[in-house]
Amino acid sequence: AQSVSQHNHHVILSEAASLELGCNYSYGGTVNLFWYVQYPGQHLQLLLKYFSGDPLVKGIKGFEAEFIKSKFSFNLRKPSVQWSDTAEYFCAVKENTGFQKLVFGTGTRLLVSP
Amino acid sequence: DAMVIQNPRYQVTQFGKPVTLSCSQTLNHNVMYWYQQKSSQAPKLLFHYYDKDFNNEADTPDNFQSRRPNTSFCFLDIRSPGLGDAAMYLCATSRDGLSGGVLDTQYFGPGTRLTVL
Repeated sequence: AQSVSQHNHHVILSEAASLELGCNYSYGGTVNLFWYVQYPGQHLQLLLKYFSGDPLVKGIKGFEAEFIKSKFSFNLRKPSVQWSDTAEYFCAVKENTGFQKLVFGTGTRLLVSP
Repeated sequence: DAMVIQNPRYQVTQFGKPVTLSCSQTLNHNVMYWYQQKSSQAPKLLFHYYDKDFNNEADTPDNFQSRRPNTSFCFLDIRSPGLGDAAMYLCATSRDGLSGGVLDTQYFGPGTRLTVL
C-alpha cells in the first residue's frame, strides 16, 4: 500500500531561518503530490501541488517544493520563515491511475519563534 | 466565496447516541470525501461519493454511514459513537477524482470536532 513519510514531527525555527521539511512516498508509478498547511484553529489549505512538468513547484506564501523522482521525495522549502508560518504541514500523495485516495503523511508541526 | 462548509464546528454527544455531521459546498464539485483525523495523526479517508456513487474504504467501521442527498450536501452519520470515535471530521471536495490532474485537487472544510462523553 502507498505510504507517505514525513521525517520531522516537530521543527522549531527562529524567524528568518530557512526551512526544509522532508517528504518521501513509497509508490513507484506516476503520482500527484501535494503539501497542505493547517494553521492553528483553521482548516487544511493547499500550499502547492505537483502534477507534471517542472519538478520545482512554487506555491503560496513563498513556499516551494521539489519533486525528485529518483528519490521518491517532495520536500517543502522556504528560504526565510516568519512567525505566521507556525502551523502543521502535511504532505499528501495520490497515485495517478483512476480513482486513488489521497494518502497523507503524519504531519510536521512547525513553531517559528519571533 | 465558494467554499466547503461544515456544521457544527464542535459537536458533543454521549456514548452510543447517534450523531450527524453535515457538509455543504458551493464549488459544484462532483466528489465529496469524509476524513477522520485524530490528534497528531494524518487524516484518514472514511469514504467518498463520486456524484451519487458511494465508495466505502475497506477499513471504515460499519458504525459510520454517509448520505448525499444532492450535489451540495453530504452527511456523516455515526450510529453509535464510542469513545474512540472522538476526533476531528473533515469534509473535502474535488471536481474530479479520476483524471489524475488538477481536477483531483481536494479542498477541505474547517472540520467538526466531535467529543464523546
